[in-house]
Amino acid sequence: GAGVSQSPSNKVTEKGKDVELRCDPISGHTALYWYRQRLGQGLEFLIYFQGNSAPDKSGLPSDRFSAERTGESVSTLTIQRTQQEDSAVYLCASSSVTGLPYEQYFGPGTRLTVT
Amino acid sequence: TQLLEQSPQFLSIQEGENLTVYCNSSSVFSSLQWYRQEPGEGPVLLVTVVTGGEVKKLKRLTFQFGDARKDSSLHITAAQPGDTGLYLCAEAPYESYNTDKLIFGTGTRLQVFP
Repeated sequence: GAGVSQSPSNKVTEKGKDVELRCDPISGHTALYWYRQRLGQGLEFLIYFQGNSAPDKSGLPSDRFSAERTGESVSTLTIQRTQQEDSAVYLCASSSVTGLPYEQYFGPGTRLTVT
Repeated sequence: TQLLEQSPQFLSIQEGENLTVYCNSSSVFSSLQWYRQEPGEGPVLLVTVVTGGEVKKLKRLTFQFGDARKDSSLHITAAQPGDTGLYLCAEAPYESYNTDKLIFGTGTRLQVFP
């Protein structure tokens, strides 16, 4: 079956513009996660969805970042008034179960460059 | 806040050599996972270790979980160019029992030359 897909794969935007990043999780996966990965570094947790609710938004770096999810399907991460420090790869993951241990399946990411 | 330190940060070796990558925490892990990430792709799960002292093998890869559950290692025997990538350890901390978020390590970038 299809894996996690993300779009666009690359996005170049000017400082101050808004961007929307999309994630299509694996069908049937109830949990969805967003992470940010700066160049050559590990992943930073941003937000977690269970269904269309977000019980953990603790990783969102500022109020310029928001995310929503439609049912147990597509999620959109929105960054308003982008800054150069927002440049990174934004990764989405989904999983079918909660509780430990479990596996998260990652998409290929969206590379965001803010000029 | 849980901190996961990985060492070394970078490793360049010749095909056929052995190597070990380490992951250390400031506190006890609940469970630990190792991922490999290739350029332009998301991380892919290699293994999950749960019990202190546990050893798991995946072909030429051997994963060990420390007895005190505060450290883990990944050993690769006879490395091949296909092993090239970013190796990440990740832990789900106790306090996230209702979120399942992962805390990732700083990563080890491995380059294996033919």
